[in-house]
Amino acid sequence: GEDVEQSLFLSVREGDSSVINCTYTDSSSTYLYWYKQEPGAGLQLLTYIFSNMDMKQDQRLTVLLNKKDKHLSLRIADTQTGDSAIYFCAESSTGGGNKLTFGTGTQLKVEL
Amino acid sequence: GAVVSQHPSWVICKSGTSVKIECRSLDFQATTMFWYRQFPKQSLMLMATSNEGSKATYEQGVEKDKFLINHASLTLSTLTVTSAHPEDSSFYICSAKESYNEQFFGPGTRLTVL
Repeated sequence: GEDVEQSLFLSVREGDSSVINCTYTDSSSTYLYWYKQEPGAGLQLLTYIFSNMDMKQDQRLTVLLNKKDKHLSLRIADTQTGDSAIYFCAESSTGGGNKLTFGTGTQLKVEL
Repeated sequence: GAVVSQHPSWVICKSGTSVKIECRSLDFQATTMFWYRQFPKQSLMLMATSNEGSKATYEQGVEKDKFLINHASLTLSTLTVTSAHPEDSSFYICSAKESYNEQFFGPGTRLTVL
């Protein structure tokens, strides 16, 4: 079945860039997503990328996709304390908000 | 954005009792709702998908008789954990979507079975 892997923890200093990495195994993955989970809140969709794209930028967020290596990354520029959260990557072969397979989540801690 | 609520946010129950968790879409009609289970430091695992007015579709390995899902209206789905045991203790998250749109997630319900 599908498998999505992430490192568990990342610590950065405020103002630095954060890079969260994700690898997946399903070659039919068509849509790849990044979600943010804050304590007591639901998962919030940050951004997504189609498999035919290499890069997508949205304000402080940059998503890079290496389809050959099945590697996805999320770069957060000028990381702030409010960015501290758990970040999940997810993949779907169908899109349209249908079945998502989530990674294990990366806890980002932003230190002053 | 669309808002999904869950109730209760936290529940403790005795082993052998049943617990019902509600998931509501507050400002849109959810044609499809999903139920996930999340263990500490682990990913969200999809348990089942339910379409309004239809029986839920359960993922492999999820016991239908253990986790009863009802999606009786376009704004409400319920998950009932029947005869709960300590191994059912977990964080349960629902999501909802309208038509061909993204899933919107609820804040989750932490279940502790003593």
